[in-house]
Amino acid sequence: GAGVSQSPRYKVAKRGQDVALRCDPISGHVSLFWYQQALGQGPEFLTYFQNEAQLDKSGLPSDRFFAERPEGSVSTLKIQRTQQEDSAVYLCASSLSHNSGNTIYFGEGSWLTVV
Amino acid sequence: KQEVTQIPAALSVPEGENLVLNCSFTDSAIYNLQWFRQDPGKGLTSLLLIQSSQREQTSGRLNASLDKSSGRSTLYIAASQPGDSATYLCAVRDDKIIFGKGTRLHILP
Repeated sequence: GAGVSQSPRYKVAKRGQDVALRCDPISGHVSLFWYQQALGQGPEFLTYFQNEAQLDKSGLPSDRFFAERPEGSVSTLKIQRTQQEDSAVYLCASSLSHNSGNTIYFGEGSWLTVV
Repeated sequence: KQEVTQIPAALSVPEGENLVLNCSFTDSAIYNLQWFRQDPGKGLTSLLLIQSSQREQTSGRLNASLDKSSGRSTLYIAASQPGDSATYLCAVRDDKIIFGKGTRLHILP
């Protein structure tokens, strides 16, 4: 695709509800990242995939957060039993390879509000 | 632990002025540094990527410098325009990509 695509763009969830956020990376991109951005803050790292392998999930804030990329392309970030502090923008990014020289491309984010 | 700081947090300047945004990082063992732009309600757009072996990169009216040993980078914007108004984020890459909190820039027409 032309860019990183995320859905839904906006989600309002009731506290305790489960949500699933989808990311379609740029076609052929091996590396995929998830970030969480609270209002007025910079993005915070959540997790990283290389193809289907989740190489780093150290940024996931709790065991309510789970990410997968089963076929090495589309990824889903799932948040179980949402809490108000989960309200944030969830950004997905991809890059051509793990090579640190590659530019990272971001999607427009999924805006989650937990009420 | 790598920490990235951006100063100032917010900046307003009249149209046409040149300006400098600052970024500092605590651990110089980075692969690269990238400057992004973020418009309200939007994702991040990459502006410039500087590899650790490079000193600067230029794109149009933008120039980014990197002094890895001192842990500093600057983004220079020449002849600012109202369309430059946005939040500018600096990010360093070691094993992960670590972002600063950004500088909110407002160009006054």
